[in-house]
Amino acid sequence: GAVVSQHPSWVICKSGTSVKIECRSLDFQATTMFWYRQFPKQSLMLMATSNEGSKATYEQGVEKDKFLINHASLTLSTLTVTSAHPEDSSFYICSASDRGPYEAFFGQGTRLTVV
Amino acid sequence: AQSVTQLGSHVSVSEGALVLLRCNYSSSVPPYLFWYVQYPNQGLQLLLKYTTGATLVKGINGFEAEFKKSETSFHLTKPSAHMSDAAEYFCAVSNNDMRFGAGTRLTVKP
Repeated sequence: GAVVSQHPSWVICKSGTSVKIECRSLDFQATTMFWYRQFPKQSLMLMATSNEGSKATYEQGVEKDKFLINHASLTLSTLTVTSAHPEDSSFYICSASDRGPYEAFFGQGTRLTVV
Repeated sequence: AQSVTQLGSHVSVSEGALVLLRCNYSSSVPPYLFWYVQYPNQGLQLLLKYTTGATLVKGINGFEAEFKKSETSFHLTKPSAHMSDAAEYFCAVSNNDMRFGAGTRLTVKP
């Protein structure tokens, strides 16, 4: 149980285009989902927290207009990187929870490369 | 505010030797503490967690960690390292959200 699926696992896009990453909880209802960004050889940095049916709460310094997060259902959250640029290239990881962050389960991550 | 400090960005041990990865935390409320392992280009796998109760927590793959409130520590140990343990390890503290340490890369020498 407690499986979180993230799709795609990797994506290459052209500069200026938008990319959508999906995060699905397969066997539980995720009331809260978290999105992280990880640069090479660095730790995970929390980008935003989203609760089903509510607007996401973004961490300081994260551009909400650039990183659009939608949590429209209890099993799906999406992160859209709008007008992507090479500096947005990174590893993005989601986690999902039905009872707070201490029970969050992680997706396998998405490697985004913007060329 | 809560935060985690992992001492040592890189730890190298011989196969069969003791593994000790250090983690100190800061939290204004009783913390929930976690250790995760990450293999290249993959997500995070939970090794173990401390929420309440017994301070010595046993996890998967032979790992364990002890919560020491007086030392604000949650160090991860394994009695005998295996080659497959080579990975990146993250300590995390959670209250309303989860914050990660910088990570420790474990190398296991044959």
